[in-house]
Amino acid sequence: GQNIDQPTEMTATEGAIVQINCTYQTSGFNGLFWYQQHAGEAPTFLSYNVLDGLEEKGRFSSFLSRSKGYSYLLLKELQMKDSASYLCATYNAGNNRKLIWGLGTSLAVNP
Amino acid sequence: NAGVTQTPKFRVLKTGQSMTLLCAQDMNHEYMYWYRQDPGMGLRLIHYSVGEGTTAKGEVPDGYNVSRLKKQNFLLGLESAAPSQTSVYFCASSYSRAPGELFFGEGSRLTVL
Repeated sequence: GQNIDQPTEMTATEGAIVQINCTYQTSGFNGLFWYQQHAGEAPTFLSYNVLDGLEEKGRFSSFLSRSKGYSYLLLKELQMKDSASYLCATYNAGNNRKLIWGLGTSLAVNP
Repeated sequence: NAGVTQTPKFRVLKTGQSMTLLCAQDMNHEYMYWYRQDPGMGLRLIHYSVGEGTTAKGEVPDGYNVSRLKKQNFLLGLESAAPSQTSVYFCASSYSRAPGELFFGEGSRLTVL
């Protein structure tokens, strides 16, 4: 079956670094996606990993280990505006081309 | 660029009423999706379309119908609304070559009394 796990809530301090983990179990894996969703708004695409390793994009980086079914999103130099829910999703080319979504991790950045 | 536009943004219905949510995208995307998002349930796929004139069921299709008569539009219909359909509905679209990179509309908040 398909399953994605990520922590429900996290808290961090402005200026710090936070790592949000995501573990998945899926057959026919074809990519791991991270989305950001601010309260009351739509999700927006952050990153995509299909090969093992770290993808860096400004203050945000995403890591993937396919053998471990594991990914993390790393947020550096946290800002108050980073307070949001972070959604992990996997893509399975065999699953009628649909994303499988985690429930999201709600990150609160405190001053 | 407007991106993905949903109408209406808010709607209150009585049980048994019908309504249609309209989604329009101006990015020439092949794929379009309708999701609902409920607290503690995450994003759940209702229906999707991989091209004009085609639709397919997602995880939670019961009580909903869809149509994609034009490539840029994807309509979601509720024939007889139920309180269980109270939710936030998101439309999304993507290129066929990057189906995991979704562009979402702002959402439509529907309340069924």
